[in-house]
Amino acid sequence: DIQMTQSPSSLSASVGDRVTITCRASQSIGSYLNWYQQKPGKAPNLLIYAASTLQSGVPSRFSGSGSGTDFTLTISSLQPEDFATYYCQQSYSTPRTFGQGTKVEIK
Amino acid sequence: QVQLQESGPGLVKPSGTLSLTCAVSGGSISSSNWWNWVRQPPGKGLEWIGEIDHSGTTNYNPSLKSRVTISVDKSKNQFSLKVNSVTAADTAVYYCARDGGTGWYWGQGTLVTVSS
Repeated sequence: DIQMTQSPSSLSASVGDRVTITCRASQSIGSYLNWYQQKPGKAPNLLIYAASTLQSGVPSRFSGSGSGTDFTLTISSLQPEDFATYYCQQSYSTPRTFGQGTKVEIK
Repeated sequence: QVQLQESGPGLVKPSGTLSLTCAVSGGSISSSNWWNWVRQPPGKGLEWIGEIDHSGTTNYNPSLKSRVTISVDKSKNQFSLKVNSVTAADTAVYYCARDGGTGWYWGQGTLVTVSS
């Protein structure tokens, strides 16, 4: 199985801050990496697919980068509606696996 | 726009069988997608259960494989999940999701509690 490790597990930030979340795969997955945002009581919502492609309708302050084993999700200027939990997911092979999540909280 | 909706009992007794259905609307289940089940225990992360394509080809998480069956019903445009011999550890929100090759699109989820 491919293990996905996110860091940090949680962070506190202020509105307007630049936030970076990293995701590391236990083996190379090319660009088969997706990022999701999840708010309490809601299903995950797709932000980024193929490591760096912004899903239609997602604000441009979100961006993704990386390939192989190391990936990054960046929020350029944190907005109040961005406080949520973020998950990475590999779609390179089965079993599909997710990172443990990064909770972004208000400072 | 394809939409997914989970349905099934919200309460299952220990040692029983959990059965859920995911209805697909706005598109055909026979399209080139993989149809997935994922679960999330309260306050925890996401765990992939398995997937099926329109032909019935399945892949399962090895950690659950012995207890899980995923099937597709093209006539009803839906797919289903069965988990046997459930325990309290199977209590979770269960999601169905479509993998079209450009990220996953999820149903709203349904909470299943295992309790007597």
